[in-house]
Amino acid sequence: EAQVTQNPRYLITVTGKKLTVTCSQNMNHEYMSWYRQDPGLGLRQIYYSMNVEVTDKGDVPEGYKVSRKEKRNFPLILESPSPNQTSLYFCASSLWWRDTEAFFGQGTRLTVV
Amino acid sequence: GQQVMQIPQYQHVQEGEDFTTYCNSSTTLSNIQWYKQRPGGHPVFLIQLVKSGEVKKQKRLTFQFGEAKKNSSLHITATQTTDVGTYFCAGCWDSNYQLIWGAGTKLIIKP
Repeated sequence: EAQVTQNPRYLITVTGKKLTVTCSQNMNHEYMSWYRQDPGLGLRQIYYSMNVEVTDKGDVPEGYKVSRKEKRNFPLILESPSPNQTSLYFCASSLWWRDTEAFFGQGTRLTVV
Repeated sequence: GQQVMQIPQYQHVQEGEDFTTYCNSSTTLSNIQWYKQRPGGHPVFLIQLVKSGEVKKQKRLTFQFGEAKKNSSLHITATQTTDVGTYFCAGCWDSNYQLIWGAGTKLIIKP
């Protein structure tokens, strides 16, 4: 089954404790991205990747890191989480950056206390 | 940077009434996509519009792309409880490698 798998689904952590949210897709998609969703703000892109080893900042990259060592995986790293990073996070993949539909993971609800 | 404005933020309707959400960009879009997010779920692709003045239908849903490719709308005829959720538009420009999302319109069916 074609899918984007994110883990974990829920995470509560403390300020400053490094964490990684994993994302994997099995559709051989070139383009992957991370979004955060906050009430009233829609989805805001954090980082995106056009291909392996090619990543770039989205609209809200501060406090986040990503890597794309393999085509299927695109982890999101919070080196020192802060409470303002409490949000719902989605990973998405698509065949290319435009003209193709984006497939989303199930989401990760992160709370930083 | 590019922005997509989407209104209204919420729309309360009685079941059977129509629903419309609108998206606007200040600059010409390359294309626009529409997604639906059910409560507690993730966004799911509905459709993509590419051509100026394009109109596409999916059963009770009608999608339009303006002649200038700066605005788009989604209209649902005779809403049903299964339509509940948040509808997002996402715009794409030739000048960048991102989808820029509207804030979404939440469809609420009044009991």
